[in-house]
Amino acid sequence: DTGVSQDPRHKITKRGQNVTFRCDPISEHNRLYWYRQTLGQGPEFLTYFQNEAQLEKSRLLSDRFSAERPKGSFSTLEIQRTEQGDSAMYLCASSPLGHQPQHFGDGTRLSIL
Amino acid sequence: GQNIDQPTEMTATEGAIVQINCTYQTSGFNGLFWYQQHAGEAPTFLSYNVLDGLEEKGRFSSFLSRSKGYSYLLLKELQMKDSASYLCAVSGDQGGKLIFGQGTELSVKP
Repeated sequence: DTGVSQDPRHKITKRGQNVTFRCDPISEHNRLYWYRQTLGQGPEFLTYFQNEAQLEKSRLLSDRFSAERPKGSFSTLEIQRTEQGDSAMYLCASSPLGHQPQHFGDGTRLSIL
Repeated sequence: GQNIDQPTEMTATEGAIVQINCTYQTSGFNGLFWYQQHAGEAPTFLSYNVLDGLEEKGRFSSFLSRSKGYSYLLLKELQMKDSASYLCAVSGDQGGKLIFGQGTELSVKP
């Protein structure tokens, strides 16, 4: 069990640029979740996949955000035309089916200049 | 609406016991989780309650009362390394997504 892996750990970009993050979940986990966390707050749900199907997106997620999990393994989260308000830690988590604990990666910290 | 409340900050002394409370109002309930998060690191799972009562795991215990929408995390024999943010989260639907509180920043003093 190598845990949940996220890449990159840090991303600094200029406003208006597109960014893409990658998450590799624990291999046998069917579910994969994306959360966003700002300083002093708990993680906020963005979207989740069960295998390759994206089953739910938060209403807070604008159309500039898109996520994929093409083969039911790794996932990518893309943000287009980044804005200052997108600066945050983006966390990925995975779990088996059922009400099981989610295991989190170390996150990608995004800073918008 | 969905709401989870926990204190923003707490301070305790090394070797002591501390209780971190969490109250929740969610449209559904499929369990309550506690996570520990050190600064700059990933949240790590501590405990899970789905039925009323106390779950004990070493120095950590968690309690749930579904009728009151209330949980607490009890940390015994505090150590300096327990200084961290403690996150209360509710799984409200079948999909398993977690709704988190803002976290309680615990400082353990010598």
